[in-house]
Amino acid sequence: GEDVEQSLFLSVREGDSSVINCTYTDSSSTYLYWYKQEPGAGLQLLTYIFSNMDMKQDQRLTVLLNKKDKHLSLRIADTQTGDSAIYFCAESRAGANNLFFGTGTRLTVIP
Amino acid sequence: DGGITQSPKYLFRKEGQNVTLSCEQNLNHDAMYWYRQDPGQGLRLIYYSQIVNDFQKGDIAEGYSVSREKKESFPLTVTSAQKNPTAFYLCATHGGWGKTGELFFGEGSRLTVL
Repeated sequence: GEDVEQSLFLSVREGDSSVINCTYTDSSSTYLYWYKQEPGAGLQLLTYIFSNMDMKQDQRLTVLLNKKDKHLSLRIADTQTGDSAIYFCAESRAGANNLFFGTGTRLTVIP
Repeated sequence: DGGITQSPKYLFRKEGQNVTLSCEQNLNHDAMYWYRQDPGQGLRLIYYSQIVNDFQKGDIAEGYSVSREKKESFPLTVTSAQKNPTAFYLCATHGGWGKTGELFFGEGSRLTVL
């Protein structure tokens, strides 16, 4: 199949860590991405990881890639109310001219 | 200031009317895309264009049309043949697959059919 899967909702308390998960199906994926969408706005790239990497850290964000299980995760440390948004994972595939997006996970941060 | 401009931000349409959503970019990117976003369904590709005067259907092209007469512009027309057009529409550009391959997005246009 071609689906990129994500859970639809996640709630965390302010200051806790958030972990958003994504599974993909295509082993030819070259780059995998995490985008953030705030209400009524477009998508902004948060971070990306190349498929030959296992982990990437960027300030409060940690991306883990398990290529064997086709599993991608985004960990947000010390989650703040400003992190409340929809988070999309996306993959690029060899030979394709577009990205394939997950359904998005709506993160709600409880003060 | 480089970026992607979508207009209008909000649009209301009566059933049976065609509407055109504008997407303009000054990033000098060759590839442009239109996505439709519905709650819980992620982004679905409507049309994309890799170069001026060329475009390809995406997964849900029925009821939509596009043109690519200029590199900077990729307007989307939602025709009366689109049975459920109420949605959030996103335009994106791509700078080339030789780099990190990310898409750049506009701020979106919300279309509501009355």
